[in-house]
Amino acid sequence: NAGVTQTPKFQVLKTGQSMTLQCAQDMNHNSMYWYRQDPGMGLRLIYYSASEGTTDKGEVPNGYNVSRLNKREFSLRLESAAPSQTSVYFCASRSAGTGVTNEQFFGPGTRLTVL
Amino acid sequence: DQQVKQNSPSLSVQEGRISILNCDYTNSMFDYFLWYKKYPAEGPTFLISISSIKDKNEDGRFTVFLNKSAKHLSLHIVPSQPGDSAVYFCAATKYFQGAQKLVFGQGTRLTINP
Repeated sequence: NAGVTQTPKFQVLKTGQSMTLQCAQDMNHNSMYWYRQDPGMGLRLIYYSASEGTTDKGEVPNGYNVSRLNKREFSLRLESAAPSQTSVYFCASRSAGTGVTNEQFFGPGTRLTVL
Repeated sequence: DQQVKQNSPSLSVQEGRISILNCDYTNSMFDYFLWYKKYPAEGPTFLISISSIKDKNEDGRFTVFLNKSAKHLSLHIVPSQPGDSAVYFCAATKYFQGAQKLVFGQGTRLTINP
C-alpha cells in the first residue's frame, strides 16, 4: 500500500516549457487535490477533484490545468512554465464524507524550479 | 487575504518541556480545524483535529484547544521529544460541492533541544 505517489521528485524547467506532474493513490479515495508550498505562504490549493469526472479551481489556479484520468490518478499540467511557478507541489487524496477524521493524505511532493 | 495565520515562524523548546503552537483564523464559517506535521522532503501528515463545536481534543501527548470567541486555536505537546522537531501547519476546513477544502496557515518550525 503505497498511499499517494508523485512523479517526478525533482524537475528543472526553462521559462516557457511545459510539463505534467503525475499523482496516483491506491486508497480508493474519491477526492484528490493539488497544492503548492512556497516559503512563508503555507500550502495553497491549486485545483481539486471532488470525485472522478469532476475538477474545480482552488485558490491559485492561474497557469495550471488538471486532469482526473480515473479514480486513482490526478495530473497537474503547466502549459508554459514561469519563474513564479517555482515551488514544491503536493498532491493529496481523501475518502468521501464530511467527518473530520477523513483527513487528507499527502504525497512526498515534487520540487519544481523554473529558470 | 490570509484566513488562517500562524504568527510565529519558529519556536525552540527544551526536551521534556511543553511546546505551545498558536493559530488564528478570521472566517467564522470554518467547521473543523486540523494540525499537520511536516518533516523535510516529506509530505504533511495529519496529527490531530477539533470540531468547531468543541473546545478541547486530546490524543496522547497532543492536545488542541479552540477558543471560538477569540478565533484562536493552539496545539500543546507535552512532553516535547526530539522527534517532534518539524514544521507544524494549522489548517481549517470548508466543505464545498462534496469536497473538503483546507486553508493552511504559514507554518511554525518547532525545534526541540536536548
